[in-house]
Amino acid sequence: GQQLNQSPQSMFIQEGEDVSMNCTSSSIFNTWLWYKQDPGEGPVLLIALYKAGELTSNGRLTAQFGITRKDSFLNISASIPSDVGIYFCAGPFSGAGSYQLTFGKGTKLSVIP
Amino acid sequence: NAGVTQTPKFQVLKTGQSMTLQCAQDMNHNSMYWYRQDPGMGLRLIYYSASEGTTDKGEVPNGYNVSRLNKREFSLRLESAAPSQTSVYFCGSTRGGPQETQYFGPGTRLLVL
Repeated sequence: GQQLNQSPQSMFIQEGEDVSMNCTSSSIFNTWLWYKQDPGEGPVLLIALYKAGELTSNGRLTAQFGITRKDSFLNISASIPSDVGIYFCAGPFSGAGSYQLTFGKGTKLSVIP
Repeated sequence: NAGVTQTPKFQVLKTGQSMTLQCAQDMNHNSMYWYRQDPGMGLRLIYYSASEGTTDKGEVPNGYNVSRLNKREFSLRLESAAPSQTSVYFCGSTRGGPQETQYFGPGTRLLVL
């Protein structure tokens, strides 16, 4: 099936630093989604990308849809303690009349105050 | 709008016991999904329902059954729980198109002893 590879698996950063993480696939995706999961909660959508080359921002978050449609990047600027959590990339693919999501394994972010 | 709700939040079972996890959404979404999340893994799809009256297997369906009771509700049943089913279970929903983002419930934490 579809597989998404996220890196890094985890990162420890100092408050105020910028963060960069990425997601790659051997298959082409027409949509890339980035979710954040806070401890003990369900994933929440941060940014959705629908077009190759698209660069989209949401506050301190910026995500890009790679030109090859096989990768995407998420950057967080000036990190703060509430950025702690697991960040997942996801891509939809069609199957049996519905669109399913395949998820990466996540990047666990820890922010040191 | 409550979004996607799940009950119970926590459950402890003994091996061989059965239980049903409940999920409901109030967004008039067509498609609903059940995932499990294990440590260090992304979300893996168990079953999904593209629309009311239809269900299909996902990546890891063994040991589970589902029922799409109506448009709002999608339940997941463990007939004979096993320790390997210890996990966090998330329900998701979406209207159904390729650019539709998926929304998630808060999760059910299940421990099978």
